[in-house]
Amino acid sequence: KAGVTQTPRYLIKTRGQQVTLSCSPISGHRSVSWYQQTPGQGLQFLFEYFSETQRNKGNFPGRFSGRQFSNSRSEMNVSTLELGDSALYLCASSLGQGPQETQYFGPGTRLLVL
Amino acid sequence: AQSVTQLDSQVPVFEEAPVELRCNYSSSVSVYLFWYVQYPNQGLQLLLKYLSGSTLVESINGFEAEFNKSQTSFHLRKPSVHISDTAEYFCAVSRISGNTPLVFGKGTRLSVIA
Repeated sequence: KAGVTQTPRYLIKTRGQQVTLSCSPISGHRSVSWYQQTPGQGLQFLFEYFSETQRNKGNFPGRFSGRQFSNSRSEMNVSTLELGDSALYLCASSLGQGPQETQYFGPGTRLLVL
Repeated sequence: AQSVTQLDSQVPVFEEAPVELRCNYSSSVSVYLFWYVQYPNQGLQLLLKYLSGSTLVESINGFEAEFNKSQTSFHLRKPSVHISDTAEYFCAVSRISGNTPLVFGKGTRLSVIA
């Protein structure tokens, strides 16, 4: 089975712009979670989707949004980019929605905001 | 709310020496515990997890971790490390009940020296 894929892998934007990141989960996985990884804050949870419904949301401003499509693919959007949004954005998928489920991570999208 | 503390941000160790990466968690409810590994320029991969049963869990590549409820710890150990074990290791917890996301520690960078 193919793993979790994320596109693009690298992105450079300027302040004020917006960006859309894409995540394709492992085939059959219905849950997709997004995380922001930075050297200072580590891994921080952004949101989780299951069957097109947002089940959980982390403590991020409303500039961060996401959605999930009927084929379980997910996108996240960041509007009005700030320098502090520079990070590695990781997507993870799991088969079900239980807390015991193993999450399978993609390689991430590295975003640099100038 | 749950929290995870990884006591060492960096651990250098010589090849074939033993290593212990420490993880302590805080939670008022029962939790599941996980160790994930991140190799350079890759996403996270599950190393091992504790859900229930034996408090000692093992991975296929020689790592083991022991759940200690009284000390709220889940330390990761390997009796003899290889150069290929150089990576960042993340400890994570999730509540057994309820619908809450994984909470990660800040990570420990393991550097194996030849």
